[in-house]
Amino acid sequence: QKEVEQDPGPLSVPEGAIVSLNCTYSNSAFQYFMWYRQYSRKGPELLMYTYSSGNKEDGRFTAQVDKSSKYISLFIRDSQPSDSATYLCAVISGTYKYIFGTGTRLKVLA
Amino acid sequence: SQTIHQWPATLVQPVGSPLSLECTVEGTSNPNLYWYRQAAGRGLQLLFYSVGIGQISSEVPQNLSASRPQDRQFILSSKKLLLSDSGFYLCAWEGQPNTEAFFGQGTRLTVV
Repeated sequence: QKEVEQDPGPLSVPEGAIVSLNCTYSNSAFQYFMWYRQYSRKGPELLMYTYSSGNKEDGRFTAQVDKSSKYISLFIRDSQPSDSATYLCAVISGTYKYIFGTGTRLKVLA
Repeated sequence: SQTIHQWPATLVQPVGSPLSLECTVEGTSNPNLYWYRQAAGRGLQLLFYSVGIGQISSEVPQNLSASRPQDRQFILSSKKLLLSDSGFYLCAWEGQPNTEAFFGQGTRLTVV
Protein backbone atom coordinates (compact mmCIF):
# COMPACT_ATOMS: atom_id res chain seq x y z
CA GLN A 1 0.00 0.00 0.00
CA LYS A 2 1.30 3.42 -0.91
CA GLU A 3 1.75 5.83 1.96
CA VAL A 4 -0.30 8.48 0.16
CA GLU A 5 -2.89 7.61 -2.48
CA GLN A 6 -4.59 10.04 -4.79
CA ASP A 7 -7.00 9.47 -7.63
CA PRO A 8 -5.18 10.53 -10.82
CA GLY A 9 -8.31 11.72 -12.61
CA PRO A 10 -8.68 13.45 -14.96
CA LEU A 11 -11.60 15.23 -13.37
CA SER A 12 -13.68 17.47 -15.64
CA VAL A 13 -16.22 19.88 -14.20
CA PRO A 14 -18.20 22.85 -15.54
CA GLU A 15 -17.24 26.35 -14.54
CA GLY A 16 -18.79 27.33 -11.22
CA ALA A 17 -18.93 23.78 -9.86
CA ILE A 18 -17.67 22.72 -6.46
CA VAL A 19 -14.66 20.47 -6.84
CA SER A 20 -13.67 17.83 -4.33
CA LEU A 21 -10.15 16.41 -4.46
CA ASN A 22 -9.17 13.64 -2.12
CA CYS A 23 -6.23 11.72 -0.72
CA THR A 24 -5.84 8.90 1.74
CA TYR A 25 -2.77 8.14 3.78
CA SER A 26 -1.67 5.04 5.57
CA ASN A 27 0.18 6.14 8.69
CA SER A 28 -1.75 7.66 11.56
CA ALA A 29 1.47 9.28 12.77
CA PHE A 30 1.39 11.81 9.92
CA GLN A 31 0.62 15.20 11.40
CA TYR A 32 1.15 17.82 8.69
CA PHE A 33 -0.71 18.07 5.41
CA MET A 34 -0.43 20.22 2.33
CA TRP A 35 -2.11 20.82 -1.00
CA TYR A 36 -0.24 22.09 -4.02
CA ARG A 37 -1.43 23.25 -7.42
CA GLN A 38 0.80 22.56 -10.39
CA TYR A 39 0.27 24.02 -13.82
CA SER A 40 1.72 22.24 -16.80
CA ARG A 41 5.52 22.48 -16.96
CA LYS A 42 5.67 24.57 -13.79
CA GLY A 43 6.69 23.92 -10.21
CA PRO A 44 4.06 23.09 -7.56
CA GLU A 45 2.53 26.10 -5.82
CA LEU A 46 1.51 25.76 -2.19
CA LEU A 47 -2.23 26.25 -1.66
CA MET A 48 -2.88 25.04 1.85
CA TYR A 49 -0.93 23.81 4.87
CA THR A 50 -2.65 22.36 7.88
CA TYR A 51 -1.84 20.20 10.85
CA SER A 52 -5.13 19.77 12.63
CA SER A 53 -8.31 17.88 11.98
CA GLY A 54 -11.18 19.89 10.63
CA ASN A 55 -11.45 22.56 7.99
CA LYS A 56 -9.16 25.39 6.97
CA GLU A 57 -10.45 27.95 4.52
CA ASP A 58 -8.59 30.35 2.25
CA GLY A 59 -10.73 32.18 -0.27
CA ARG A 60 -12.36 29.65 -2.57
CA PHE A 61 -10.26 26.81 -1.17
CA THR A 62 -11.03 24.67 1.87
CA ALA A 63 -8.73 21.95 3.14
CA GLN A 64 -10.28 19.26 5.27
CA VAL A 65 -8.43 16.71 7.37
CA ASP A 66 -10.04 13.69 8.98
CA LYS A 67 -7.32 11.99 11.00
CA SER A 68 -9.63 9.25 12.22
CA SER A 69 -10.20 8.13 8.64
CA LYS A 70 -6.76 9.18 7.39
CA TYR A 71 -8.41 11.20 4.69
CA ILE A 72 -7.63 14.68 3.40
CA SER A 73 -9.66 16.74 0.97
CA LEU A 74 -9.43 19.98 -0.93
CA PHE A 75 -12.63 21.72 -1.95
CA ILE A 76 -12.70 24.43 -4.58
CA ARG A 77 -15.81 26.60 -4.70
CA ASP A 78 -16.96 28.46 -7.78
CA SER A 79 -14.34 26.73 -9.90
CA GLN A 80 -12.80 28.70 -12.74
CA PRO A 81 -11.02 27.63 -15.95
CA SER A 82 -7.86 29.04 -14.37
CA ASP A 83 -8.14 26.32 -11.71
CA SER A 84 -7.38 23.72 -14.38
CA ALA A 85 -4.17 22.13 -13.15
CA THR A 86 -2.83 19.09 -11.34
CA TYR A 87 -3.41 19.09 -7.60
CA LEU A 88 -0.96 17.31 -5.33
CA CYS A 89 -1.55 16.35 -1.76
CA ALA A 90 1.43 15.90 0.54
CA VAL A 91 2.16 14.77 4.06
CA ILE A 92 5.19 15.31 6.22
CA SER A 93 6.19 11.86 7.37
CA GLY A 94 9.16 12.94 9.43
CA THR A 95 11.79 15.62 9.60
CA TYR A 96 12.87 16.44 6.05
CA LYS A 97 10.50 13.79 4.73
CA TYR A 98 7.65 14.85 2.48
CA ILE A 99 5.49 12.27 0.74
CA PHE A 100 3.48 13.43 -2.24
CA GLY A 101 0.49 11.95 -3.95
CA THR A 102 0.75 11.38 -7.67
CA GLY A 103 -1.64 14.23 -8.37
CA THR A 104 -5.17 14.67 -9.69
CA ARG A 105 -5.62 16.43 -13.01
CA LEU A 106 -8.50 18.87 -12.95
CA LYS A 107 -10.09 20.51 -15.96
CA VAL A 108 -12.68 23.24 -15.49
CA LEU A 109 -14.73 23.74 -18.62
CA ALA A 110 -15.85 27.26 -19.55
CA SER B 1 9.45 38.03 0.89
CA GLN B 2 11.15 34.79 0.06
CA THR B 3 11.73 33.69 -3.52
CA ILE B 4 13.36 30.68 -5.09
CA HIS B 5 15.09 30.71 -8.43
CA GLN B 6 15.91 27.67 -10.47
CA TRP B 7 17.61 27.52 -13.82
CA PRO B 8 17.68 26.68 -16.61
CA ALA B 9 14.01 26.05 -17.33
CA THR B 10 14.73 23.52 -20.05
CA LEU B 11 17.84 21.62 -20.98
CA VAL B 12 18.68 19.08 -23.67
CA GLN B 13 21.92 17.23 -23.09
CA PRO B 14 23.60 14.30 -24.83
CA VAL B 15 24.23 11.03 -23.03
CA GLY B 16 27.56 11.13 -21.22
CA SER B 17 27.67 14.90 -20.86
CA PRO B 18 27.93 16.63 -17.46
CA LEU B 19 25.05 18.38 -15.72
CA SER B 20 24.77 21.34 -13.40
CA LEU B 21 21.43 22.69 -12.22
CA GLU B 22 21.39 25.61 -9.84
CA CYS B 23 18.90 26.77 -7.26
CA THR B 24 19.06 29.87 -5.10
CA VAL B 25 16.76 31.16 -2.39
CA GLU B 26 16.35 34.80 -1.43
CA GLY B 27 14.83 36.42 1.62
CA THR B 28 15.59 33.74 4.21
CA SER B 29 18.54 32.35 6.09
CA ASN B 30 19.58 28.77 6.73
CA PRO B 31 16.75 27.16 4.78
CA ASN B 32 16.43 23.43 4.37
CA LEU B 33 16.88 22.72 0.68
CA TYR B 34 15.62 19.85 -1.44
CA TRP B 35 16.03 18.40 -4.91
CA TYR B 36 13.14 16.34 -6.29
CA ARG B 37 12.56 14.60 -9.58
CA GLN B 38 9.04 14.34 -10.94
CA ALA B 39 8.07 11.64 -13.39
CA ALA B 40 4.68 11.51 -15.06
CA GLY B 41 2.17 9.61 -12.96
CA ARG B 42 4.73 8.78 -10.30
CA GLY B 43 4.75 11.79 -8.01
CA LEU B 44 7.78 13.53 -6.63
CA GLN B 45 10.86 11.54 -5.75
CA LEU B 46 13.20 13.07 -3.18
CA LEU B 47 16.78 13.01 -4.42
CA PHE B 48 18.75 15.09 -1.92
CA TYR B 49 18.19 17.39 1.00
CA SER B 50 20.48 19.75 2.86
CA VAL B 51 20.18 21.35 6.27
CA GLY B 52 23.26 23.53 5.97
CA ILE B 53 26.35 24.44 3.99
CA GLY B 54 28.21 21.33 2.92
CA GLN B 55 25.60 19.03 4.52
CA ILE B 56 23.98 16.78 1.93
CA SER B 57 21.79 13.75 2.48
CA SER B 58 21.10 11.41 -0.41
CA GLU B 59 17.84 9.53 -0.55
CA VAL B 60 18.28 7.51 -3.72
CA PRO B 61 21.57 6.02 -4.99
CA GLN B 62 22.00 7.23 -8.53
CA ASN B 63 24.04 9.01 -11.11
CA LEU B 64 23.54 12.41 -9.49
CA SER B 65 25.18 14.40 -6.72
CA ALA B 66 24.35 17.60 -4.90
CA SER B 67 26.33 20.35 -3.26
CA ARG B 68 25.56 23.36 -1.13
CA PRO B 69 28.47 25.76 -1.41
CA GLN B 70 26.60 28.70 0.13
CA ASP B 71 23.72 29.00 2.58
CA ARG B 72 21.10 29.72 -0.07
CA GLN B 73 22.57 27.89 -3.04
CA PHE B 74 21.92 24.28 -3.95
CA ILE B 75 23.42 22.58 -7.00
CA LEU B 76 22.50 19.29 -8.64
CA SER B 77 25.24 17.70 -10.73
CA SER B 78 26.19 14.71 -12.76
CA LYS B 79 29.50 13.78 -14.33
CA LYS B 80 27.94 11.67 -17.07
CA LEU B 81 24.25 11.78 -17.88
CA LEU B 82 22.23 8.68 -18.66
CA LEU B 83 19.04 8.49 -20.69
CA SER B 84 17.23 7.58 -17.47
CA ASP B 85 18.20 10.93 -15.95
CA SER B 86 15.61 12.66 -18.13
CA GLY B 87 12.84 14.23 -16.09
CA PHE B 88 11.50 17.31 -14.39
CA TYR B 89 13.78 18.47 -11.58
CA LEU B 90 12.46 20.62 -8.80
CA CYS B 91 14.25 22.52 -6.08
CA ALA B 92 12.39 23.37 -2.89
CA TRP B 93 13.04 25.11 0.41
CA GLU B 94 11.49 25.12 3.86
CA GLY B 95 12.19 27.50 6.71
CA GLN B 96 11.80 25.12 9.62
CA PRO B 97 11.35 21.34 9.81
CA ASN B 98 7.75 20.19 9.53
CA THR B 99 6.58 23.35 7.84
CA GLU B 100 5.51 23.85 4.28
CA ALA B 101 7.93 23.49 1.38
CA PHE B 102 8.10 25.99 -1.48
CA PHE B 103 9.13 24.97 -4.96
CA GLY B 104 11.01 26.55 -7.81
CA GLN B 105 9.69 26.49 -11.34
CA GLY B 106 11.60 23.37 -12.27
CA THR B 107 14.04 22.29 -14.96
CA ARG B 108 12.91 19.94 -17.68
CA LEU B 109 15.91 17.84 -18.60
CA THR B 110 15.95 15.71 -21.71
CA VAL B 111 18.92 13.44 -22.24
CA VAL B 112 19.32 12.39 -25.87
